[in-house]
Amino acid sequence: DAGITQSPRYKITETGRQVTLMCHQTWSHSYMFWYRQDLGHGLRLIYYSAAADITDKGEVSDGYVVSRSKTENFPLTLESATRSQTSVYFCASSESPGQGLTFGSGTRLTVV
Amino acid sequence: GENVEQHPSTLSVQEGDSAVIKCTYSDSASNYFPWYKQELGKRPQLIIDIRSNVGEKKDQRIAVTLNKTAKHFSLHITETQPEDSAVYFCAAKENYGQNFVFGPGTRLSVLP
Repeated sequence: DAGITQSPRYKITETGRQVTLMCHQTWSHSYMFWYRQDLGHGLRLIYYSAAADITDKGEVSDGYVVSRSKTENFPLTLESATRSQTSVYFCASSESPGQGLTFGSGTRLTVV
Repeated sequence: GENVEQHPSTLSVQEGDSAVIKCTYSDSASNYFPWYKQELGKRPQLIIDIRSNVGEKKDQRIAVTLNKTAKHFSLHITETQPEDSAVYFCAAKENYGQNFVFGPGTRLSVLP
């Protein structure tokens, strides 16, 4: 599963700072996703993208921004980090709408 | 939107016994139901999936059943082994759009 990589693996940032989480996939999958994982909530969708320059909001998109200028990259930016955004963030991709997701290894973000 | 419930939240079984995890979904238009296994500190990984036109699917010790009328689906693991210990997530994909809605997870412990 080295085909989808996230960076950094761990990040500590201060409240109010902007932080960007990176996601890169080598399969040329059309669909890419960002989820956050919090205890008791499972995985919740932040944003997804069906193709380059096409993005759409998920369930918990407030405070987050994404871009997809190239098919292989899907960065997630926290515009002004808050403590409630402390979480594990997973990027994922899929080849087509009816297929399961392949996840990256995750980024553990702590906002202090 | 779609809502997925999952039970039980924790499950302990003796090695060699069977384990069953159940999920219900709310949107009758959902048409794809994957299951993910997440080991501690690792990424979720797809282990089996089922589509709405199929009632049951099996892969070695793992099987998934789907009851569209009742809007529930279940994961069955037979002859459990210690390496089956993990958190299992069910998910439902909405018919329109790309959102996979996840259940809150079941922590399975297989006791030797």
